[in-house]
Amino acid sequence: DGGITQSPKYLFRKEGQNVTLSCEQNLNHDAMYWYRQDPGQGLRLIYYSQIVNDFQKGDIAEGYSVSREKKESFPLTVTSAQKNPTAFYLCASTQGGAANTEAFFGQGTRLTVV
Amino acid sequence: QKEVEQDPGPLSVPEGAIVSLNCTYSNSAFQYFMWYRQYSRKGPELLMYTYSSGNKEDGRFTAQVDKSSKYISLFIRDSQPSDSATYLCASLPISGGYNKLIFGAGTRLAVHP
Repeated sequence: DGGITQSPKYLFRKEGQNVTLSCEQNLNHDAMYWYRQDPGQGLRLIYYSQIVNDFQKGDIAEGYSVSREKKESFPLTVTSAQKNPTAFYLCASTQGGAANTEAFFGQGTRLTVV
Repeated sequence: QKEVEQDPGPLSVPEGAIVSLNCTYSNSAFQYFMWYRQYSRKGPELLMYTYSSGNKEDGRFTAQVDKSSKYISLFIRDSQPSDSATYLCASLPISGGYNKLIFGAGTRLAVHP
């Protein structure tokens, strides 16, 4: 079955640590996205990539980094510079960047700072 | 002011009720409107998709867009306990790709037997 796989489902980070969230898709989609979801705030775009080896900052990119070395993979690193990283992180993909294509989401990673 | 406003609820209704979920938006450039459903601890899934004004129906679900008042609605008829989820509205400008998608805060709906 085609889809998006995020791992791990739950992740705990100590203060000052960098952690990497995995996102893999086998839908052959060109574009991939990372969102952060906080209670009462909806989804906010962190980074997006419309093609391999290229990515752009979203609305809340500070404290995060990404890479897109392969079409199917778009890992997100939450760095120690992100002061409030506890949140639910969602990865999504679309066939392209056009408005009339459906976005498919992964099941999310819940990150907690301990 | 947020570009897409949505009451986070929670909204609790009895089984069989008609549910009305609403959003307002401020950007006149928005032309595409979507409703996503998100079950607890899961990723969102696309429920309905409309372009510009008008209604769109799919089974028990009807999406409505009123561009004159910048109002987006989702109606659920004969609501079921399995409809209990968070519903997110989202809007896109005509010029933008998916990276321009703006989400509302999401409304948590509980349908009790």
